[in-house]
Amino acid sequence: DAGVTQSPTHLIKTRGQHVTLRCSPISGHKSVSWYQQVLGQGPQFIFQYYEKEERGRGNFPDRFSARQFPNYSSELNVNALLLGDSALYLCASSLGTVVVNNEKLFFGSGTQLSVL
Amino acid sequence: KQEVTQIPAALSVPEGENLVLNCSFTDSAIYNLQWFRQDPGKGLTSLLLIQSSQREQTSGRLNASLDKSSGRSTLYIAASQPGDSATYLCAVHNTDKLIFGTGTRLQVFP
Repeated sequence: DAGVTQSPTHLIKTRGQHVTLRCSPISGHKSVSWYQQVLGQGPQFIFQYYEKEERGRGNFPDRFSARQFPNYSSELNVNALLLGDSALYLCASSLGTVVVNNEKLFFGSGTQLSVL
Repeated sequence: KQEVTQIPAALSVPEGENLVLNCSFTDSAIYNLQWFRQDPGKGLTSLLLIQSSQREQTSGRLNASLDKSSGRSTLYIAASQPGDSATYLCAVHNTDKLIFGTGTRLQVFP
């Protein structure tokens, strides 16, 4: 079975541009979360979606948005890119929500975004 | 506000040593604690998950313990190998999200 897949693997953008990152969860998983990892730091929570609804949002500006599709895949959108948005963006999936199922999150390999 | 701290930040040991990595958190109201491994520039691989009602979990050479009352978890690696070289992250599950520490960068040399 395929794990969590993310695309693209690497991306280079310039300041002010817009970017869309994509994630396909493990088959059967209905929850998708997005995390940002700046070099040398632990990942920070951006969004969680479950059954196509936003269930949680981290402390990120409104330039960050996301959505989940009927097939449970997800997109993360970032507008008006800043140099500080350069990071590894990680997607994670789980069967349900931790509150209900107390289960593991499974992470993809990430998208490395560089903003010049 | 939940804060997660990992000590040490980096560790370099010869092959064969037994290791202890430490993780502390400030708020004991957690659902579970998860240990991850991250290779350079890669995603996270889940190693162990300890539910809040459990005290420890074991997988092969890895053993993780959890003491919620003191806000601490340890990851014990037995008989370390060069292939164990990576960054190890602990994360506590707090409602809808994981809160991560900054990791321990481990190097095991032959």
